[in-house]
Amino acid sequence: DQQVKQNSPSLSVQEGRISILNCDYTNSMFDYFLWYKKYPAEGPTFLISISSIKDKNEDGRFTVFLNKSAKHLSLHIVPSQPGDSAVYFCAASGRNYGQNFVFGPGTRLSVLP
Amino acid sequence: DAGVIQSPRHEVTEMGQEVTLRCKPISGHNSLFWYRQTMMRGLELLIYFNNNVPIDDSGMPEDRFSAKMPNASFSTLKIQPSEPRDSAVYFCASSSGQGRTNEKLFFGSGTQLSVL
Repeated sequence: DQQVKQNSPSLSVQEGRISILNCDYTNSMFDYFLWYKKYPAEGPTFLISISSIKDKNEDGRFTVFLNKSAKHLSLHIVPSQPGDSAVYFCAASGRNYGQNFVFGPGTRLSVLP
Repeated sequence: DAGVIQSPRHEVTEMGQEVTLRCKPISGHNSLFWYRQTMMRGLELLIYFNNNVPIDDSGMPEDRFSAKMPNASFSTLKIQPSEPRDSAVYFCASSSGQGRTNEKLFFGSGTQLSVL
């Protein structure tokens, strides 16, 4: 059973518009969440994170929102650029998880020029 | 720092052969992870080490898979014998392993394994 879910395998957005990628988790012990971006033939790279004590974290064009009661987080990219086209992975960790990070299956974002 | 280094980048082998994947974590990092990426399951954790000691190997698919970390700067993932269903991209990642709340993983470029 997947503990971190990304129900949209793919998403297409026009350049300049907002991209919203969603992630749901089932384990209430998770208290730290990350987003990773992956280009073809490269390893995932860290994008942005959020701790469960916050409900929003912003870094430039990227904002992550956390809704603990719904066990849901989302990544907003505004404005979207063609270079943002990649696979985005949501990941979760928790104090009781040691150093382990649980990843979702990923969402492929295509930003169309 | 050069980041996490994996070798080889690509490996093509025949069913039944032994495959060894290698990883050099970022210097000073205490935790090392092996992940496998497939279309069906995304990124799944196989095993992770902290201070060279295996902490959780529950993700290792079966006895054909084994991993070692003989020292802080080197780890191997071995598959013996390999099977076509092992074909995937295998990633190594490391983190500081200090248990801080802002911990993050740094990934290598991966090894694309094809078992024919």
